[in-house]
Amino acid sequence: QKEVEQDPGPLSVPEGAIVSLNCTYSNSAFQYFMWYRQYSRKGPELLMYTYSSGNKEDGRFTAQVDKSSKYISLFIRDSQPSDSATYLCAIPDRGSTLGRLYFGRGTQLTVWP
Amino acid sequence: DVKVTQSSRYLVKRTGEKVFLECVQDMDHENMFWYRQDPGLGLRLIYFSYDVKMKEKGDIPEGYSVSREKKERFSLILESASTNQTSMYLCASTVSSYEQYFGPGTRLTVT
Repeated sequence: QKEVEQDPGPLSVPEGAIVSLNCTYSNSAFQYFMWYRQYSRKGPELLMYTYSSGNKEDGRFTAQVDKSSKYISLFIRDSQPSDSATYLCAIPDRGSTLGRLYFGRGTQLTVWP
Repeated sequence: DVKVTQSSRYLVKRTGEKVFLECVQDMDHENMFWYRQDPGLGLRLIYFSYDVKMKEKGDIPEGYSVSREKKERFSLILESASTNQTSMYLCASTVSSYEQYFGPGTRLTVT
């Protein structure tokens, strides 16, 4: 079983829609959860991170962790064409002090005008 | 502003050639990583390095080697390129926290 699973989509929504992107993870000891965004022909960049359970909001983006079901989500409100990108969830390897991350496969999102 | 650069954006090589991909970071980070990214498979870790001349295998090291002679530079080597190594290659670095900084990627085509 992989450490992190993510549906690769693709997902296509109209401008203004609420988008929900999701990942599941295998190890209940994981406590730190990250979302990266990757635009076409660029490297991924850190978008948001959360620690332990609960929600974290940053503008139109909300990251949510449900540790009981080992489920993490990223919600995008009022989606814009500029949000079109691949979104990757990532979780640090707890046994590593070297910064190794487990990545989901990424979900490709298209927001059309 | 943090910066990770990769030597080429696009590269075309022939089967059997030796290929060098270079990555340079200007943030004095100890840890550096090489990934390949393929549609439907996501990012897969090839090798990483936690210090000069130190390296660890990732999940898919077969057919690859690495070199880190200076802290800021991490090279990925394909000893004898094969068509199944056609991919996007991404380099990243981190100090030891969880945020990795990525380069723009090298799209390698092996024909």
